[in-house]
Amino acid sequence: QVHLVESGGDVVQPGKSLRLSCVASGFSFSYYAMHWVRQAPGKGLEWVAVITNDGNKKFYTDSVKGRFTISRDNSLNTLYLQLDSLRAEDTAAYYCARDYSTGPFTQLLHHWGQGTLVTVSS
Amino acid sequence: DIVMTQSPDSLAVSLGERATISCKSSQSLLYSSNNKNYLAWYQQKPGQPPKLLIYWASIRESGVPDRFSGSGSGTDFILTINSLQAEDVAVYYCQQYYGTPPTFGGGTKVEIK
Repeated sequence: QVHLVESGGDVVQPGKSLRLSCVASGFSFSYYAMHWVRQAPGKGLEWVAVITNDGNKKFYTDSVKGRFTISRDNSLNTLYLQLDSLRAEDTAAYYCARDYSTGPFTQLLHHWGQGTLVTVSS
Repeated sequence: DIVMTQSPDSLAVSLGERATISCKSSQSLLYSSNNKNYLAWYQQKPGQPPKLLIYWASIRESGVPDRFSGSGSGTDFILTINSLQAEDVAVYYCQQYYGTPPTFGGGTKVEIK
């Protein structure tokens, strides 16, 4: 059974940094691309970033380019999201999600974690 | 970026009745080489993460009840919930995975009348 558990969410001041983690189990982590998706309180879903299964390719939504970094450690079955230069508008629940297929990513989000909350406030 | 527009924002349906949600994309999601529409539907219940319901516009994910169905092609898509049940109360999102970044509709909240 696929299981994704996020952690690392916290209350931070604007301009500060945070690192989110997502530990995966129940599937061959190294075979799948992984995504981060966020949801501001009471709002809709916004895709944030994707990393290929081997970690060689990464893509970001424009609003986080240069501030967020997605990475993974396949030996630890763990996905990361480094959040730098945080802004109030980054306040959201951050979900990790597994891509639907092995190989090239489809951007179809098959399994989701429960999310971790990031609050950016002074 | 491809813009996804859902309507209505919310709807209230009596138990056992049909709910219909529309999703329109700013460009075609039909990929000519495989004749597939890169459109998915997700269900998000209060306090839970989204759950994949339908992909390729009309394929139900394993375990999803057959009262949920997806239709449409190109730029216009529909999610239909036949015989609405109490457990279907949720927000429903469409998502295109044709282009990067993948984008979501604004969501439709389904409630019981």
